[in-house]
Amino acid sequence: EAAVTQSPRNKVAVTGGKVTLSCNQTNNHNNMYWYRQDTGHGLRLIHYSYGAGSTEKGDIPDGYKASRPSQENFSLILELATPSQTSVYFCASGGTGGAGQLYFGEGSKLTVL
Amino acid sequence: GDQVEQSPSALSLHEGTGSALRCNFTTTMRAVQWFRKNSRGSLINLFYLASGTKENGRLKSAFDSKERYSTLHIRDAQLEDSGTYFCAAEATSNNRIFFGDGTQLVVKP
Repeated sequence: EAAVTQSPRNKVAVTGGKVTLSCNQTNNHNNMYWYRQDTGHGLRLIHYSYGAGSTEKGDIPDGYKASRPSQENFSLILELATPSQTSVYFCASGGTGGAGQLYFGEGSKLTVL
Repeated sequence: GDQVEQSPSALSLHEGTGSALRCNFTTTMRAVQWFRKNSRGSLINLFYLASGTKENGRLKSAFDSKERYSTLHIRDAQLEDSGTYFCAAEATSNNRIFFGDGTQLVVKP
């Protein structure tokens, strides 16, 4: 079974603070994704990556940066957190070529006060 | 999402009964995946289909790329089936993944 690990699992931040969400996958997948999930919405794509050194904007990238320093690690960075970024964030990895089956981490609940 | 219309948005079932969830697609999809978000907030993989049907226990899923839909059937619903179910589909044209808005399922005794 593919393994995707997120940290932290829970985070409380203050408005204007910097938040980094980390994701590690041991599946050797090229593709990695960051989504946020809010009640009443499907998962919305923030940033994604095709491999080490690559980051691409998803559907809602404003206010977020991403970093893919290695095949295994993909971080989501909120330089200046805002209350509207309070959400549950999911990292996923997927296979080569087409996206293939996605494997999700367990989610990171972020509260921005 | 715009490319995926998931229904119903909410569903209540009594234990032992069944129903179906559906996702309609506005464009041709290469594959579909179904998830359940459990009470702990984790996304559990249920099915990944490129075509046809798959069955696992009390769950069965079908995907018809040509007709642009996928279904998830639940039979003999149990309390632990409660949660939010999502479909996600991969567009053939650009490999993008589009999610439905979810179905909140509540199974009652």
